[in-house]
Amino acid sequence: AQSVTQPDIHITVSEGASLELRCNYSYGATPYLFWYVQSPGQGLQLLLKYFSGDTLVQGIKGFEAEFKRSQSSFNLRKPSVHWSDAAEYFCAVEGSGGGADGLTFGKGTHLIIQP
Amino acid sequence: SAVISQKPSRDICQRGTSLTIQCQVDSQVTMMFWYRQQPGQSLTLIATANQGSEATYESGFVIDKFPISRPNLTFSTLTVSNMSPEDSSIYLCSVRERLYYGYTFGSGTRLTVV
Repeated sequence: AQSVTQPDIHITVSEGASLELRCNYSYGATPYLFWYVQSPGQGLQLLLKYFSGDTLVQGIKGFEAEFKRSQSSFNLRKPSVHWSDAAEYFCAVEGSGGGADGLTFGKGTHLIIQP
Repeated sequence: SAVISQKPSRDICQRGTSLTIQCQVDSQVTMMFWYRQQPGQSLTLIATANQGSEATYESGFVIDKFPISRPNLTFSTLTVSNMSPEDSSIYLCSVRERLYYGYTFGSGTRLTVV
């Protein structure tokens, strides 16, 4: 069965600094990978997704992620964070049933922005 | 991408009662999913609801506790039955759109059982 590991429970970054959130997955075939953001009291918003092709994917709000098969990783990056980026970030992988199994989520990383 | 309307947005319920959560999508979708997010936790899949067939439940979730209906391609309900304080969570519905659009989520139902 597939799994997702987000090793950092909390990350604190100064406003304007760069950000990298780590995500490692376990999956037997080519994974479909996603990053979602959840602001306090809000639903989940899709930041970006990877299905195939270019391993560097661009998303909304200035985020990007790089798929590295050799490292089983799909890390999320942003060159300069804003206070509004403070939120919970979830990495997810689609199940092996062609989408019939939904998404498996990591435990999330809580991003704190320091002024 | 699809727009999902989920109702109610929040509720406070007495233990032993049941709550039905509705999920309405503005387009026809084959696959709909229900997730639970316990306080401070990640999302866990409860079940997959496909139109015209019985819902498929994940390990640890049973139909008697979480009955699901899927009468058509735009609507689904999840009932949380015989509630206890341990059921206090956010419940979210999600749809899988055509490939490359990914998964869209409703805004969630924040349930508190007292």
